[in-house]
Amino acid sequence: KAGVTQTPRYLIKTRGQQVTLSCSPISGHRSVSWYQQTPGQGLQFLFEYFSETQRNKGNFPGRFSGRQFSNSRSEMNVSTLELGDSALYLCASSSPGLAIAEQFFGPGTRLTVL
Amino acid sequence: AQKVTQAQTEISVVEKEDVTLDCVYETRDTTYYLFWYKQPPSGELVFLIRRNSFDEQNEISGRYSWNFQKSTSSFNFTITASQVVDSAVYFCALSSNNAGNMLTFGGGTRLMVKP
Repeated sequence: KAGVTQTPRYLIKTRGQQVTLSCSPISGHRSVSWYQQTPGQGLQFLFEYFSETQRNKGNFPGRFSGRQFSNSRSEMNVSTLELGDSALYLCASSSPGLAIAEQFFGPGTRLTVL
Repeated sequence: AQKVTQAQTEISVVEKEDVTLDCVYETRDTTYYLFWYKQPPSGELVFLIRRNSFDEQNEISGRYSWNFQKSTSSFNFTITASQVVDSAVYFCALSSNNAGNMLTFGGGTRLMVKP
């Protein structure tokens, strides 16, 4: 089975721009979660999508948004980029059943904001 | 609120030494799940183990073992006979039924295994 894929792997943007990151989950997985990893704040949960609906949201400003398509692929958008948005953005997929399933992570997109 | 603490930010050992990575968690939920992930330099988080709050049995998988103790809210991870390939950052994480798939991560422990 192919793993979680994320595109692009690296991205350089300037302040004020917007960016869209893409995540393709493992085949059959319907839950996709996004995390931000920075040296200062560590790994922080952004949001989770399940069956095209946002099911959970972390404590991030409204500039961070996402969506999920009918094929479970997900995109994350950050508008009006700030220097502090420079981070590794990780996507994870899982196949939730009755219990909380393990999440499988992609290689991440490293975003640099200049 | 949930919290995970990994007090050891960095550990350095020589190959073949045993090493234990500590993880202490806080949650008010009675049903919760604990995880360990490995992050090699490539950046991808690799799943190692999931343990639910009702299963306190220790687990062993090859050179890896995990000690879950609810009484001390700890879920420690031991690598026996460490190898250079074990060098990575290791994260402990927590989720609960009330939080869905949201993982709360600890700060991570960077393990360096020297030859």
